Amino acid sequence: NAGVTQTPKFRVLKTGQSMTLLCAQDMNHEYMYWYRQDPGMGLRLIHYSVGEGTTAKGEVPDGYNVSRLKKQNFLLGLESAAPSQTSVYFCASSRDSSSRDTQYFGPGTRLTVL
Amino acid sequence: GQQVMQIPQYQHVQEGEDFTTYCNSSTTLSNIQWYKQRPGGHPVFLIQLVKSGEVKKQKRLTFQFGEAKKNSSLHITATQTTDVGTYFCAGNTGGFKTIFGAGTRLFVKA
Repeated sequence: NAGVTQTPKFRVLKTGQSMTLLCAQDMNHEYMYWYRQDPGMGLRLIHYSVGEGTTAKGEVPDGYNVSRLKKQNFLLGLESAAPSQTSVYFCASSRDSSSRDTQYFGPGTRLTVL
Repeated sequence: GQQVMQIPQYQHVQEGEDFTTYCNSSTTLSNIQWYKQRPGGHPVFLIQLVKSGEVKKQKRLTFQFGEAKKNSSLHITATQTTDVGTYFCAGNTGGFKTIFGAGTRLFVKA
């Protein structure tokens, strides 16, 4: 039981490049989330999903897209990376609505955009 | 919009001293969660508080939820070097989204 895994762990991009971050969970959780963490700003929700085939915008969705084609996977895409997207990205999942349930976080992806 | 403020931003303590971090919401919360993130690690769930005035303990950690359900605190008694990390509160108003505080980073000097 691996919990929540994220790939890659580290990535360096040049401005304008694209990439996809992959999140996978093996806990059969319905809810999945993508956060970014910047110094002094805590965790900010980018997008989330309440089930397979569904996605919704969070607090800071601009510049990102997501897809949840399979229940266990949640992908975060950057179509044209910008230096402002340099951050640590965390994926999380929960069994039920985040208002009532524990969120389990992946190990994170450190992204640098030059 | 809803905000969750957390203070202090940093705290340096000598091992054995106590530590407290405070969390304040601009709106009434349905519940509040606390997470710990070790340096270089990911947030790990510690506890959830739901009831007004609720107090919960986990060994040396004491969590409180205010009577008005707009503030919360985490108190660590006799800190140890294993307590180092960043402590986040995360508030919910009953809707879907969890709003995280900016965190308090704890440094413990042996």
